[in-house]
Amino acid sequence: GIQVEQSPPDLILQEGANSTLRCNFSDSVNNLQWFHQNPWGQLINLFYIPSGTKQNGRLSATTVATERYSLLYISSSQTTDSGVYFCAVNSGGYQKVTFGTGTKLQVIP
Amino acid sequence: DTAVSQTPKYLVTQMGNDKSIKCEQNLGHDTMYWYKQDSKKFLKIMFSYNNKELIINETVPNRFSPKSPDKAHLNLHINSLELGDSAVYFCASSRASGRSEQFFGPGTRLTVL
Repeated sequence: GIQVEQSPPDLILQEGANSTLRCNFSDSVNNLQWFHQNPWGQLINLFYIPSGTKQNGRLSATTVATERYSLLYISSSQTTDSGVYFCAVNSGGYQKVTFGTGTKLQVIP
Repeated sequence: DTAVSQTPKYLVTQMGNDKSIKCEQNLGHDTMYWYKQDSKKFLKIMFSYNNKELIINETVPNRFSPKSPDKAHLNLHINSLELGDSAVYFCASSRASGRSEQFFGPGTRLTVL
């Protein structure tokens, strides 16, 4: 099956710093989502981005499907950005979604 | 209004017991899913239902049995609970197939003692 790797696995940022999270996948995908799992365990939809670039406030994402990767940019990070960020892809298999390994982000004041 | 809801939020039980987790979505979606998140935070799909029909069963033990009474509900029944079943279980839904955006419930933390 498809492999989905995220990097870095762990990241500590000073509040106000910027960061880039990466999601690499081993096969072509039909869609890709980014999620934020907050410290309370809730999975929050960030982007649905099979290709191209989207922006939402301080967050933006870019997927280059032909090169099999997606990037999530966080600018001016805040402590509320802490948590685990997942990408998830659907790759041909009907309805099957594969999650990445996650990036654990800690933003310190 | 909660889009995808699960009950209970926490479930603590003894080994060998049978338990159920309920999931409901009010988004009008056709497809619902169950995921398991282990202690290392890895999320893996267990089941997928499309219009009450089982589509995906990802090598989950027979002790796990999903039931979809209608397309807005997907319940998970677990027989003879084992210590290794301890995890957070998430329900999700999407408009159609895995090709559209998925929305997740709040999760049910199951602890088997």
